[in-house]
Amino acid sequence: GAGVSQSPSNKVTEKGKDVELRCDPISGHTALYWYRQSLGQGLEFLIYFQGNSAPDKSGLPSDRFSAERTGGSVSTLTIQRTQQEDSAVYLCASSSYQGAKYNEQFFGPGTRLTVL
Amino acid sequence: AQSVTQLGSHVSVSEGALVLLRCNYSSSVPPYLFWYVQYPNQGLQLLLKYTTGATLVKGINGFEAEFKKSETSFHLTKPSAHMSDAAEYFCAVRPTGGGNKLTFGTGTQLKVEL
Repeated sequence: GAGVSQSPSNKVTEKGKDVELRCDPISGHTALYWYRQSLGQGLEFLIYFQGNSAPDKSGLPSDRFSAERTGGSVSTLTIQRTQQEDSAVYLCASSSYQGAKYNEQFFGPGTRLTVL
Repeated sequence: AQSVTQLGSHVSVSEGALVLLRCNYSSSVPPYLFWYVQYPNQGLQLLLKYTTGATLVKGINGFEAEFKKSETSFHLTKPSAHMSDAAEYFCAVRPTGGGNKLTFGTGTQLKVEL
């Protein structure tokens, strides 16, 4: 079956612009995660959604970052007023949740964001 | 808070030699532990995981890891390296209860030489 997909694969933007990154999780996966991979910080957790529960936003680095998950499926990560330090690869993952247990996270290929 | 430390940001081995990538974790209780591999311009792929039960875990592509509570370690090994193993490897930890967010180590770039 189809894996996690992300779009765009690459995004170049100018400092100060807003960007939206999209993630399509694996069908049926109720949990969705965003991570950021950058040279300086490694792989960092940003936010995760599980079903209808309030998202865990504890990893978002600033209030310029926000994410939504519509209809329990597709998610959009929005970065407002982008800064050069936002340049990174943004990875999305999804997992199933069964019997009060989370299963393996499957990762998408990522969106490479470059802020000029 | 949980954390993982990967010793050696770059490891180089000869083809056919033993691969050993080190991972130590810090946690008040034994967490769940994972190894992921990332090939260039691709996402992360799960190699293996330890949750409960047998402490020696076998994964894909001939990799295995052993959970050692006394050493707070979860080192990744493969008896014989192949050129196709060249990639970046990440150790990760998550709590056994509550949420599922992963905390990653800084990664180890594995180079396999002829």
